[in-house]
Amino acid sequence: GNSVTQMEGPVTLSEEAFLTINCTYTATGYPSLFWYVQYPGEGLQLLLKATKADDKGSNKGFEATYRKETTSFHLEKGSVQVSDSAVYFCALSDGGYQKVTFGTGTKLQVIP
Amino acid sequence: NAGVTQTPKFQVLKTGQSMTLQCAQDMNHNSMYWYRQDPGMGLRLIYYSASEGTTDKGEVPNGYNVSRLNKREFSLRLESAAPSQTSVYFCASSDIRGTEAFFGQGTRLTVV
Repeated sequence: GNSVTQMEGPVTLSEEAFLTINCTYTATGYPSLFWYVQYPGEGLQLLLKATKADDKGSNKGFEATYRKETTSFHLEKGSVQVSDSAVYFCALSDGGYQKVTFGTGTKLQVIP
Repeated sequence: NAGVTQTPKFQVLKTGQSMTLQCAQDMNHNSMYWYRQDPGMGLRLIYYSASEGTTDKGEVPNGYNVSRLNKREFSLRLESAAPSQTSVYFCASSDIRGTEAFFGQGTRLTVV
């Protein structure tokens, strides 16, 4: 079956540091890939997505590139802010939202 | 801009008690979902409804029932709560294309 593996957290960074959160996946076919963010006390929000190989999703300074050859979708940001502190979930979908598989989430803490 | 609204936000039940979690969306979405979030396990799909009048089991349906009351509302019922059902529950909805979901703020349920 499908699976998503994320790096374990928590990840603690100083403000303005470079962020990478690793995500690799296992799936048959050509899934769509997503990053969701969950701020404290809230539900998940879509951060960015990519629907085919070599696509780059971007939003709010975050980027991720769909790498089919390495089955990866790593999340990056050049300069994190305290307001980026949240839990980040990598996910894939191979046919409609009911078939979305989520990773376990990576907690990011940014300190001033 | 209510989006997806869940009630209640917090609940404590005794083992064997029953309760219904309510969810409503005002985005005219066809599909709705119930997830549970447990530490280290990401989000797991309990039930989903692709359209009004239909419901299907997800990954972890045992111990739960759902009702798609109309296009707006999708409720989750625990008939006889167990400590293993202690979790955070999220309702979500998506449009007919199913590529992006919108989440409620969650219900934190504790079964003692």
